[in-house]
Amino acid sequence: GAGVSQTPSNKVTEKGKYVELRCDPISGHTALYWYRQSLGQGPEFLIYFQGTGAADDSGLPNDRFFAVRPEGSVSTLKIQRTERGDSAVYLCASSPLTGGGNEAFFGQGTRLTVV
Amino acid sequence: AQSVSQHNHHVILSEAASLELGCNYSYGGTVNLFWYVQYPGQHLQLLLKYFSGDPLVKGIKGFEAEFIKSKFSFNLRKPSVQWSDTAEYFCAVTDALGGGADGLTFGKGTHLIIQP
Repeated sequence: GAGVSQTPSNKVTEKGKYVELRCDPISGHTALYWYRQSLGQGPEFLIYFQGTGAADDSGLPNDRFFAVRPEGSVSTLKIQRTERGDSAVYLCASSPLTGGGNEAFFGQGTRLTVV
Repeated sequence: AQSVSQHNHHVILSEAASLELGCNYSYGGTVNLFWYVQYPGQHLQLLLKYFSGDPLVKGIKGFEAEFIKSKFSFNLRKPSVQWSDTAEYFCAVTDALGGGADGLTFGKGTHLIIQP
């Protein structure tokens, strides 16, 4: 079956612009996560959705970052007034059940470059 | 909050050598532990996981890991590596009772290169 799909795979944007990154999880997975991976680092948790609601957004670095999942499936990560420090690979993962022990399935990521 | 420390950022081995990648975590509660692998150009994939029970966990491709609670460690091992094991390896931890709310906390990763 299809895995987690993220689009675009690469995005180059100018400083100050607005960007949207899309994640299409595995069908039926209720849990969805966004992570950010900077060069030489492991993925860093941003936000977790259980169904349509953001159950935990404590990892979002500031109020320029926002994410939605209006119908409990596709999710969009939105970044306003982008800064060069936002450059990273943004990873999406989904999981079939809620709970800390369930396997997370990752997408290929979106490489965001802010110039 | 949890944290994960991976001791080696870069490891170079010859084929057929034995492998052990260190992972230590910091968290006072009950944990679930994971090793993920990222092959060149591919997405993160689960290698193995520990939830409860036998602390020696076997995963795919001949990998295993041992959870030693007293040492807060979850080291990854493979008795004989192959060139195809060249990849980035990430150790991760999550609160077993957290209901998934805090996601996974990852280490910085170990870049493993196997020389033919």
